[in-house]
Amino acid sequence: DTGVSQDPRHKITKRGQNVTFRCDPISEHNRLYWYRQTLGQGPEFLTYFQNEAQLEKSRLLSDRFSAERPKGSFSTLEIQRTEQGDSAMYLCASSPGLAGGPRETQYFGPGTRLLVL
Amino acid sequence: AQKITQTQPGMFVQEKEAVTLDCTYDTSDPSYGLFWYKQPSSGEMIFLIYQGSYDQQNATEGRYSLNFQKARKSANLVISASQLGDSAMYFCAWGDNNDMRFGAGTRLTVKP
Repeated sequence: DTGVSQDPRHKITKRGQNVTFRCDPISEHNRLYWYRQTLGQGPEFLTYFQNEAQLEKSRLLSDRFSAERPKGSFSTLEIQRTEQGDSAMYLCASSPGLAGGPRETQYFGPGTRLLVL
Repeated sequence: AQKITQTQPGMFVQEKEAVTLDCTYDTSDPSYGLFWYKQPSSGEMIFLIYQGSYDQQNATEGRYSLNFQKARKSANLVISASQLGDSAMYFCAWGDNNDMRFGAGTRLTVKP
């Protein structure tokens, strides 16, 4: 049984470039979540999916951020026109989808650390 | 808005002693979950323990127990028999049907 995986683990980009991160959840999990974590803070909830449906996206930080989960399996998080303030760890988590919303235990991936120069 | 507060930025404990990490939350929702996660320096978030808002008993998982006081809106984590490997950041979190909130964390250092 493999856990949540994320790719890449590290990304360095120049300001203004677009970046895309991938998350593969635990195989039998229906829900998938994205978070951002800046240094010294707890994770900040961005969005989540129930299968391929994006159920909450109002917390996405700006319209430069978008997420997809086209077939209800892996998900991508894209940041367009990156800014230095986007430098952070981006965490993905998944959960079985048995209880309502984020109220059930989530299992996290190792994260993608983004540095925008 | 929902809010999670961890008032202890850092805590020290002697190896083999017990330690309590504080967490309070603010919600008007009747149905929610409370979680504790451990984040070592390597960065991964490790799930420790879960408490549902309707659970009558306090949750326990091995050396971890959650002291749930619903009326006070507190969900403190108790770690018994601390080990050197327990040194890490600890995050309390609250979730309902549409939202998930994490506290700012407590850095626990276990001294030999």
